[in-house]
Amino acid sequence: SQQGEEDPQALSIQEGENATMNCSYKTSINNLQWYRQNSGRGLVHLILIRSNEREKHSGRLRVTLDTSKKSSSLLITASRAADTASYFCATVTISSGNTGKLIFGQGTTLQVKP
Amino acid sequence: NAGVTQTPKFQVLKTGQSMTLQCAQDMNHNSMYWYRQDPGMGLRLIYYSASEGTTDKGEVPNGYNVSRLNKREFSLRLESAAPSQTSVYFCASRYTNRYSSVGQGKFFGPGTRLTVL
Repeated sequence: SQQGEEDPQALSIQEGENATMNCSYKTSINNLQWYRQNSGRGLVHLILIRSNEREKHSGRLRVTLDTSKKSSSLLITASRAADTASYFCATVTISSGNTGKLIFGQGTTLQVKP
Repeated sequence: NAGVTQTPKFQVLKTGQSMTLQCAQDMNHNSMYWYRQDPGMGLRLIYYSASEGTTDKGEVPNGYNVSRLNKREFSLRLESAAPSQTSVYFCASRYTNRYSSVGQGKFFGPGTRLTVL
């Protein structure tokens, strides 16, 4: 079964607006990662947040993690048409050790209209 | 650096045929992974190789075999393809060692689109 569930499944916004995507997971994690996938392409790693971190920034990306609620959010500020893609959260569970096994959510499809 | 490369990009098979998907990385990563992605679902791990000479099953290993040929290459084989294996297959890699944190992102290849008729 999937570890992560993402919400919403699809999001459509205007260029310049902020986009927020949420991810929930079930079992204790070592870290949580966000990936972007452009249509027909492979995944690109965006940001990683460890279980002892609560917030992390990278450029226009802001990720929060609430381990008590087993949830994370990805905020993209001042969105651009080029941000149109699918976004996936993925977790590394504590039980996976150092194998690097990722468990992916189903993804959020973001459309940014020019 | 080419990063993670996969061949072929597209493939159509008939039920029962066999084929091997190739993956190579030039980043000196020691861990490599094979995932499949189906419509409306996230990626699911098929097999992984934590280091050269080792392979382990992931979530959905049935119907597949893997070979870690050397540090650079990790192949996925379908011995007798079935329509349920129609999917997009992604190879990924990352660097690990006994001292590194588990907190490292993966590098993904562009994918192989496989259709089994």
